[in-house]
Amino acid sequence: AQSVAQPEDQVNVAEGNPLTVKCTYSVSGNPYLFWYVQYPNRGLQFLLKYITGDNLVKGSYGFEAEFNKSQTSFHLKKPSALVSDSALYFCAVRGLNTGFQKLVFGTGTRLLVSP
Amino acid sequence: DGGITQSPKYLFRKEGQNVTLSCEQNLNHDAMYWYRQDPGQGLRLIYYSQIVNDFQKGDIAEGYSVSREKKESFPLTVTSAQKNPTAFYLCASSRETGGSNTEAFFGQGTRLTVV
Repeated sequence: AQSVAQPEDQVNVAEGNPLTVKCTYSVSGNPYLFWYVQYPNRGLQFLLKYITGDNLVKGSYGFEAEFNKSQTSFHLKKPSALVSDSALYFCAVRGLNTGFQKLVFGTGTRLLVSP
Repeated sequence: DGGITQSPKYLFRKEGQNVTLSCEQNLNHDAMYWYRQDPGQGLRLIYYSQIVNDFQKGDIAEGYSVSREKKESFPLTVTSAQKNPTAFYLCASSRETGGSNTEAFFGQGTRLTVV
């Protein structure tokens, strides 16, 4: 069965510093990996995805993520954090097999960027 | 603008009542989903539909029902059999089903509270 782990409930970082939000996954075969962001009382917004190819994926708002197959990780990164990046971040995985493959989400990591 | 519209944004239900949450999309997506979000638990899949007139149970379908009579619409009914319905409900859609690489797009959510 597919699963996603986000080991940190909260990540604190000062504005201007780099940030990393961790994600590890488990799936049979090759994965499709996604990052979403959620602001209070809102839906999820798509940030980026990894399908195949370059292990470093660039997405919206200056975010990027690095796919590491050997470590089964897909950590979200940003070189310089903004206060407005403070939100709840979800990692998700979908298997790459035939038939319906549901999207499985992690429990989320709250990012708090202090001024 | 294309997107997913959920209504209402806030909903209050009395004990023993059935309530229906609306989800409409104009993205011409085939697949639609309902998720439930509880603090600290991430998103859990309630029901999904890959095509009109077809839907499948997700991980936590008990106490819920859906219909998919039109491609654009995927309403969710929370029945009186759902013992703990207070949660944030998110509807999503994606262009393709199966092992596709397309990301899911989310509505803004409905917060349901039992009073």
